[in-house]
Amino acid sequence: EDKVVQSPLSLVVHEGDTVTLNCSYEVTNFRSLLWYKQEKKAPTFLFMLTSSGIEKKSGRLSSILDKKELSSILNITATQTGDSAIYLCAGTSYNTDKLIFGTGTRLQVFP
Amino acid sequence: DTEVTQTPKHLVMGMTNKKSLKCEQHMGHRAMYWYKQKAKKPPELMFVYSYEKLSINESVPSRFSPECPNSSLLNLHLHALQPEDSALYLCASSRGTARYNSPLHFGNGTRLTVT
Repeated sequence: EDKVVQSPLSLVVHEGDTVTLNCSYEVTNFRSLLWYKQEKKAPTFLFMLTSSGIEKKSGRLSSILDKKELSSILNITATQTGDSAIYLCAGTSYNTDKLIFGTGTRLQVFP
Repeated sequence: DTEVTQTPKHLVMGMTNKKSLKCEQHMGHRAMYWYKQKAKKPPELMFVYSYEKLSINESVPSRFSPECPNSSLLNLHLHALQPEDSALYLCASSRGTARYNSPLHFGNGTRLTVT
C-alpha cells in the first residue's frame, strides 16, 4: 500500500531558528512530491519535486528530493512566527489522480 | 484569499436537512476535487472530476452527491448526514489531474457541523 510518512509530528522553535522537515514515501510508479503549508484553512502550494533532484527555493524556504532514499526535506531558515502552520507533503503517482498525503508536521514558532 | 472560492464558509445542518456546498474557480483548470478534513488529520479525497466527468469516487456514502455543472463549478449536495460527517470540506482544482504533475490549488473550505 502506498504511504507517505512525515517527521517530526510536531516541532517548537524560536524565531530565527532553522528547521528541517522530513518526508519519506513509498508510492508505486512515483511521479512527484508536493509540499503544502496549511494555516487555518486552505493548504497553500509550496513546491513540487521530482526525481530529477533539482532543489526548489522560495525565499527562506527550500526543498529537495532524494530519489535513492525515497525522501524529501523542507528547510526553513530564519523562521518567523508567520511560519507557524502544519506542513503537509503528498506523493503523486502515474497510476492515479489521488494524492497520498502524510500526516503533516505541526510547526510552532515562538517570538 | 485563494483563487478557488467556496461557499458557504460555515454551515450548520440537522440530520434531516438537504444542503449544498459550492466551489468555483476561474483559472481554466480542468480537474476539480472534493476533500474532507477532520481535525489534526490530512485531507481525505472524496471525488475527482476531470473535464467535467467523475473520474474517482473514493467509496463515499451516497448521502454525499457531487455535481459538476461546468468546468468552473463544483457542487457537493448533502442529505441525511450524520454527526460524524462534521468536518472541513475542501475543494481544489488543478490544470490537469494529479497524475499529470499539476499541483492542486485549494479553497478555504466549508466548516460543516451536523447536529
